[in-house]
Amino acid sequence: GAVVSQHPSRVICKSGTSVKIECRSLDFQATTMFWYRQFPKQSLMLMATSNEGSKATYEQGVEKDKFLINHASLTLSTLTVTSAHPEDSSFYICSASTAGDYGYTFGSGTRLTVV
Amino acid sequence: GENVEQHPSTLSVQEGDSAVIKCTYSDSASNYFPWYKQELGKRPQLIIDIRSNVGEKKDQRIAVTLNKTAKHFSLHITETQPEDSAVYFCAASRGFGNEKLTFGTGTRLTIIP
Repeated sequence: GAVVSQHPSRVICKSGTSVKIECRSLDFQATTMFWYRQFPKQSLMLMATSNEGSKATYEQGVEKDKFLINHASLTLSTLTVTSAHPEDSSFYICSASTAGDYGYTFGSGTRLTVV
Repeated sequence: GENVEQHPSTLSVQEGDSAVIKCTYSDSASNYFPWYKQELGKRPQLIIDIRSNVGEKKDQRIAVTLNKTAKHFSLHITETQPEDSAVYFCAASRGFGNEKLTFGTGTRLTIIP
């Protein structure tokens, strides 16, 4: 079946630094990538939607200059958390899909801790 | 935009009994309704889904019902087992891969042995 590889699985960074999270679709072409953030004991909140080759569409309240999303190819999308602060500590999950298909394939998630 | 409400937030049932989780949605254009099971620190796992042209779908001990008129759908788990303990999320989208998926608030299901 469809697989999305997400790296790193865990990362600890210092406040003020940037962190890049990668999601790769291994056996299908991801025309759309969704990025979610999940705080402890809460639901998955959509941060942004990106289509291959286009600028990402951010949800209300999500700072596009802080959370940089790149979807340059049909198999790779990245989320960069810039100038990270402790409040950015969360579980980040990507979800890939293909146009014309109802399925959503989730990455394994990245636990970000900002100290 | 779409708003998905989910109830209850926590649910404890005796092993072997049934569990029911309910969700309502607001966007009448939504036509795809998946249910996910998530264990701590893991990705959501799709357990069953339903499209708007179907009223009910069943897969062994798991079933989902959809009432488009009332804009609600439910997850039914029968003969519950300890391994069913997890957090369950409902979700809704307008279908097809380029449409975003909106999640419910989640239900923590605990199966009591």
